[in-house]
Amino acid sequence: AQSVAQPEDQVNVAEGNPLTVKCTYSVSGNPYLFWYVQYPNRGLQFLLKYITGDNLVKGSYGFEAEFNKSQTSFHLKKPSALVSDSALYFCAVRTGDYGQNFVFGPGTRLSVLP
Amino acid sequence: ETGVTQTPRHLVMGMTNKKSLKCEQHLGHNAMYWYKQSAKKPLELMFVYNFKEQTENNSVPSRFSPECPNSSHLFLHLHTLQPEDSALYLCASSQTPGGNYGYTFGSGTRLTVV
Repeated sequence: AQSVAQPEDQVNVAEGNPLTVKCTYSVSGNPYLFWYVQYPNRGLQFLLKYITGDNLVKGSYGFEAEFNKSQTSFHLKKPSALVSDSALYFCAVRTGDYGQNFVFGPGTRLSVLP
Repeated sequence: ETGVTQTPRHLVMGMTNKKSLKCEQHLGHNAMYWYKQSAKKPLELMFVYNFKEQTENNSVPSRFSPECPNSSHLFLHLHTLQPEDSALYLCASSQTPGGNYGYTFGSGTRLTVV
């Protein structure tokens, strides 16, 4: 069975500091990994994905994530946080098997303090 | 706009009412999904439609009835709901079943059952 864990409900960081939002996963097979962001009263917006290739993937708004197979992790990072990055972040995983659906993590609320 | 449009954005209904949520995408995607997002709970996958055929019903109560007349439109018919059904209902679509390239989400319908 597929599962995703986001160990932190809340992450607080000062503006200008680097941020990390953690994600670990469990799948049988090769993972397809995604990060989504949700602003208040909005749907989820795609940030970035890893399917194959370089372990470090770059996405929207200056975010990046590193796929670590040995640690089964896909942490989201940004070198310098902005107040506007404050939102709810979801990690999601699926395998490449036909018909498999996404499994979303519980979400991590990021607060960037001015 | 993401290309997935949900209407209405907000809905207040009594427990004896019948209402419908609408989702529309013109991205040429072949799969559509309904998710429920409640406060303090993970995203819950409700229904999956691939090429207009329902392929998944995650033990959703029969007071929620989906309809997919074509690949571009998805409805969620609601009747005799309970207050605990109050939530943000998100529609998503993907190019391929399961979403190898990710999902595109609508902005959601905020449902309040009184």
